[in-house]
Amino acid sequence: DAKTTQPNSMESNEEEPVHLPCNHSTISGTDYIHWYRQLPSQGPEYVIHGLTSNVNNRMASLAIAEDRKSSTLILHRATLRDAAVYYCILNNNAGNMLTFGGGTRLMVKP
Amino acid sequence: DSGVTQTPKHLITATGQRVTLRCSPRSGDLSVYWYQQSLDQGLQFLIQYYNGEERAKGNILERFSAQQFPDLHSELNLSSLELGDSALYFCASSANSGTPTYEQYFGPGTRLTVT
Repeated sequence: DAKTTQPNSMESNEEEPVHLPCNHSTISGTDYIHWYRQLPSQGPEYVIHGLTSNVNNRMASLAIAEDRKSSTLILHRATLRDAAVYYCILNNNAGNMLTFGGGTRLMVKP
Repeated sequence: DSGVTQTPKHLITATGQRVTLRCSPRSGDLSVYWYQQSLDQGLQFLIQYYNGEERAKGNILERFSAQQFPDLHSELNLSSLELGDSALYFCASSANSGTPTYEQYFGPGTRLTVT
């Protein structure tokens, strides 16, 4: 399985944009890039996914590099509620099971 | 609220015992997944069921088993429990299976403590 590399932790100020990077240099053509987050004491929560083009939804934006070897999750205005562990996951299997890495712990300062 | 329910929320039991964790997927979702989250191993996929049939297996121990019933709820059975089985067990559901584009919705988890 292709692996992802994320920083262990990041800090942000409230109401500022946050860019969470993910490297996936061994990504294959059929790998979808998924982002999930896990708030404290909760189950993981789907954020966004994409294949080649940038994607936007109500929660975030996903910017995918042209060579697909990296991607960035963008939270446009961080709130305290966005403090969580963010997981970047490559998914190409028909069964759709998710392989979680260590993720990035995002801390948001008021 | 993801729409996925799990019971019980907490479970404390002794080594050697057997427990059953229950999961009800979101209405209409046919796929159910079980994951284990421990401090040393992180989040790991255990097993998936789709419409009553086992679809994929991950790092699931032989002492663990699961099933999905006709009403689509699922149960994860853990037997001969060891201290190392103490973890959070999450259930997730998705609308379908067969493509990697369906998002999964996770339940709140069951915290198992083995003493």
